[in-house]
Amino acid sequence: EVQLVESGGGLVQPGGSLRLSCAGSGFTFGTYEMNWVRQAPGKGLEWISYISVSADYIYYADSVRGRFTISRDNAKNSLFLQMNNLRAEDTAVYYCARWIDYWGQGTLVTVSS
Amino acid sequence: EIVLTQSPGTLSLSPGERATLSCRASQSVSSTYLGWYQQKPGQAPRLLIYGASSRATGIPDRFSGSGSGTDFTLTISRLEPEDFAVYYCQHYLNSPRPFGQGTKVEIK
Repeated sequence: EVQLVESGGGLVQPGGSLRLSCAGSGFTFGTYEMNWVRQAPGKGLEWISYISVSADYIYYADSVRGRFTISRDNAKNSLFLQMNNLRAEDTAVYYCARWIDYWGQGTLVTVSS
Repeated sequence: EIVLTQSPGTLSLSPGERATLSCRASQSVSSTYLGWYQQKPGQAPRLLIYGASSRATGIPDRFSGSGSGTDFTLTISRLEPEDFAVYYCQHYLNSPRPFGQGTKVEIK
């Protein structure tokens, strides 16, 4: 069974940093593209970052470019999102997704003083 | 930059009725990279359709997708109680990979 489990969310002050992780299981992690998508409270879905199988292609939404960094460790079946200089508008549930077909349950990031 | 606009914002229908949801792109996109998702409150999105018209694994055949160019449609032939949810379209080629703003299908 394909599973994706996000972790690392929590409460952080504006300007602070967090590192999200996504652990994949039940599939060959190193053969799939991965994405991060977020959803602010009561709002729609926002794609924020993509990483190719070998990390040779990486994309970011304008809203996070320069502040967030996506990475992966295929040996550990893991995806990461380093988030720096966090803002109140980054408050959201963050989902990792295998390509577009399987999604984790999300981890909540709250940016507030 | 591609913008996806979904309509209507809310669709009020009864179980058993047909639902037709629209997703319009600001410029022509490849149908190979157009997907549809369902999201229920408190849950992660679930992929319904990829490549504009291919059903994802385990998706009932009452869900169908169609379209090309700038106009795409998700059709639910006969609404079941579990189909009342929010639906999103997405274009997933290159960058950015935008979602539409969503269509809520609610019980009338």
